[in-house]
Amino acid sequence: DAGITQSPRYKITETGRQVTLMCHQTWSHSYMFWYRQDLGHGLRLIYYSAAADITDKGEVPDGYVVSRSKTENFPLTLESATRSQTSVYFCASSESGQLYFGPGTRLTVT
Amino acid sequence: QKEVEQNSGPLSVPEGAIASLNCTYSDRGSQSFFWYRQYSGKSPELIMFIYSNGDKEDGRFTAQLNKASQYVSLLIRDSQPSDSATYLCAVKGNTGFQKLVFGTGTRLLVSP
Repeated sequence: DAGITQSPRYKITETGRQVTLMCHQTWSHSYMFWYRQDLGHGLRLIYYSAAADITDKGEVPDGYVVSRSKTENFPLTLESATRSQTSVYFCASSESGQLYFGPGTRLTVT
Repeated sequence: QKEVEQNSGPLSVPEGAIASLNCTYSDRGSQSFFWYRQYSGKSPELIMFIYSNGDKEDGRFTAQLNKASQYVSLLIRDSQPSDSATYLCAVKGNTGFQKLVFGTGTRLLVSP
């Protein structure tokens, strides 16, 4: 199906573990983004990518790593999960300034 | 000062009324403005965008932009219970990079 997908949709992990959230889009959009959404903070940009092999930090990048070897994939890795990273994570893609969001991943760090 | 500010609400309106959602932004160089709707437990979906001063209408939705006052609003006419959601205002600056800055959203409740 066309669109943007995320996996897993739900994840529970322990403090200190490495976690990778996957994002895949079929539109061939150049730009891809990772946001986290928390009560009281709204959507905050973690990392973004303008094209394959081009990534840059957003507003809250600490503790996260991204890569983009292929245009369609943009995984987000939490190198050593902390409780403060409990959140809902949204991947998005954009071609003309309009963002299209994936369904989200609800991550709980215990 | 937050870059994009919205009243968190909830804004309660009766069915059939006009709901007015407001947003202010701090970057005077902002070029593009977006309204997203987010149902509880779902991802945001784009409902309107506006680039120029004035009004833009799409069905029951009207976006209004006043760059001099750094103010953008969304009007929903004939509000329906299905419009109950959180509405996110997003602003794009004047750089080439397509980053949007989001407000924290206004929760709208439409009662039957």
